[in-house]
Amino acid sequence: AQSVTQPDIHITVSEGASLELRCNYSYGATPYLFWYVQSPGQGLQLLLKYFSGDTLVQGIKGFEAEFKRSQSSFNLRKPSVHWSDAAEYFCAVGGGAAGNKLTFGGGTRVLVKP
Amino acid sequence: DTGVSQDPRHKITKRGQNVTFRCDPISEHNRLYWYRQTLGQGPEFLTYFQNEAQLEKSRLLSDRFSAERPKGSFSTLEIQRTEQGDSAMYLCASSSLLGGYTFGSGTRLTVV
Repeated sequence: AQSVTQPDIHITVSEGASLELRCNYSYGATPYLFWYVQSPGQGLQLLLKYFSGDTLVQGIKGFEAEFKRSQSSFNLRKPSVHWSDAAEYFCAVGGGAAGNKLTFGGGTRVLVKP
Repeated sequence: DTGVSQDPRHKITKRGQNVTFRCDPISEHNRLYWYRQTLGQGPEFLTYFQNEAQLEKSRLLSDRFSAERPKGSFSTLEIQRTEQGDSAMYLCASSSLLGGYTFGSGTRLTVV
């Protein structure tokens, strides 16, 4: 069965500092990996996705993520955080680019200090 | 491309009542998904359609839940005899075979 673990429930970071959100997955085949962001009361916005190829993936809003097969990880990073990055972030794994069902982690809530 | 639309945005209902939610996917997307998200958790898969065919249902989808996509376009999710445990955000998403998994803004259900 597929599963996703996001070890950090909350992270507080100062504006301008770097951010790294951890994601570990379990999947029996080649994983398709996604990071989504969710603002309060809103739906999910796709930040980036990994299907194959270069293991360092660039996304929107200055985010990037690195796929490490040996560690079953897909960590999300941003070099310099803006106050507008305060939100909840979800890592997800699925079985196909077009979307079979996605399995999500529990999320990491990011708070940005001025 | 107007995105994935969900209606209503919010629904408050009394326990035991039936509720129905609607999702309008991106028009060229042939796959449609329903997820449920409870407070502080990630979304959980409920069911998905390819065109009008319902291809997979989660065990979370009890017999009080039914989803339809009659013409392969919009979809409805009905919950019968609502319980307080049904309170959650219900998210719809759509995708094409080429990718592009897009979520709607969700319907927040509160059962009182």
